[in-house]
Amino acid sequence: EVQLVESGGGLGQPGGSLRVTCAASGFIFSSYEMNWVRQAPGKGLEWISYIGSDGGDRYYADSVKGRFTISRDNAKNSLFLQMNSLRGEDTAVYYCARRGPFQYGPFDLWGQGTMVTVSS
Amino acid sequence: EIVLTQSPATLSLSPGERATLSCRASQSISSYLAWYQQKAGQPPRLLIYDASNRATGIPARFSGSGSGTDFTLTISSLEPEDFAVYYCQQRKSWPLTFGGGTKVEIK
Repeated sequence: EVQLVESGGGLGQPGGSLRVTCAASGFIFSSYEMNWVRQAPGKGLEWISYIGSDGGDRYYADSVKGRFTISRDNAKNSLFLQMNSLRGEDTAVYYCARRGPFQYGPFDLWGQGTMVTVSS
Repeated sequence: EIVLTQSPATLSLSPGERATLSCRASQSISSYLAWYQQKAGQPPRLLIYDASNRATGIPARFSGSGSGTDFTLTISSLEPEDFAVYYCQQRKSWPLTFGGGTKVEIK
């Protein structure tokens, strides 16, 4: 089955760190660009980060630049988001999303999301 | 940054009616616009890409049109499962951005 499964969410302290992971299966992970998109409670969607299929290109939204780092391990079919210097406004469901079915395409496959709550 | 403005914020319609959702871009994005449907507690689902192309498995009652700065998603006859929130998204330039969403609710 073609799917993305996020894990690693939970409660983080303001100023602290969390790492979320996305496990891909059912498709050739190394052929696709990947992204993280988040959604604060009751709010809309916000794209926050992109990584090219080989990990070479990376882009970030201004809201997370310098604090979050996207990476991937194609051998393990996994995508990561390292979140440092957490703030209350980072509280959201974090989705991993594949860009397809062509290069620089739309988000054609989404995971179920993992909740990150930043609070003391 | 390209800002996408969706209207209306809420659309109250009955099953069987036609729904017309609008998305306006702050600058030209050619046809690089996608539409997504999101139901409560679920991730978004891709409906339309590049303004008018239906994604795999999407019913023909969903159609998209437009180019440049003005785009429309039309649902020709609402089914009970179509009541949800709809987002537009541009891939013309970084940062990738989404509209604020239109909620289609049962009247």
